[in-house]
Amino acid sequence: GAGVSQSPSNKVTEKGKDVELRCDPISGHTALYWYRQRLGQGLEFLIYFQGNSAPDKSGLPSDRFSAERTGESVSTLTIQRTQQEDSAVYLCASSHGLAGGYQETQYFGPGTRLLVL
Amino acid sequence: EDQVTQSPEALRLQEGESSSLNCSYTVSGLRGLFWYRQDPGKGPEFLFTLYSAGEEKEKERLKATLTKKESFLHITAPKPEDSATYLCAVQAINSGYALNFGKGTSLLVTP
Repeated sequence: GAGVSQSPSNKVTEKGKDVELRCDPISGHTALYWYRQRLGQGLEFLIYFQGNSAPDKSGLPSDRFSAERTGESVSTLTIQRTQQEDSAVYLCASSHGLAGGYQETQYFGPGTRLLVL
Repeated sequence: EDQVTQSPEALRLQEGESSSLNCSYTVSGLRGLFWYRQDPGKGPEFLFTLYSAGEEKEKERLKATLTKKESFLHITAPKPEDSATYLCAVQAINSGYALNFGKGTSLLVTP
């Protein structure tokens, strides 16, 4: 079946503008994760969604970052008033969610490369 | 604080020259250790999950092992198509669902 898909694949924006990134998880996966990968750094966890439960937002770096998920499908990550340090690859992953995310393999999408000028 | 350290940062091998990549971790309690491969411009591709010390898993030329402090990814007789960045990640008891990633080892296999 289809894997995790993300759009757009690349995004160039000006400092101060808002951007919205989209993620389509693997069909049937109830758990969804967002990570950020900055140049030369390891992936950083941002946020986790599991079914209809309240999301785990513990990794969001500032209140400029927010994310939503409609049911068990598409998720959007929004960055308001973008800054140059927001430039990174934003990766989405999903897992089946049967174990609540614990010990589950996370399958990643191709990422959105964000460049803030 | 949970930490994941991968070494070396970069490794250059000739085709057929076997070697190992290291992932050292410090966590309060390990739920699982994950290995991924990442090609340039792409998302991480899942390779293995290891859950307890002593566990080993194999796939083609790759073999992953786990102890209480580190994991090794052994590459036997590598081919140029094995060139990629290999990422190690741990899921710890006190970090919920998040994976804590190392910075990766960039592997180049030359013909």
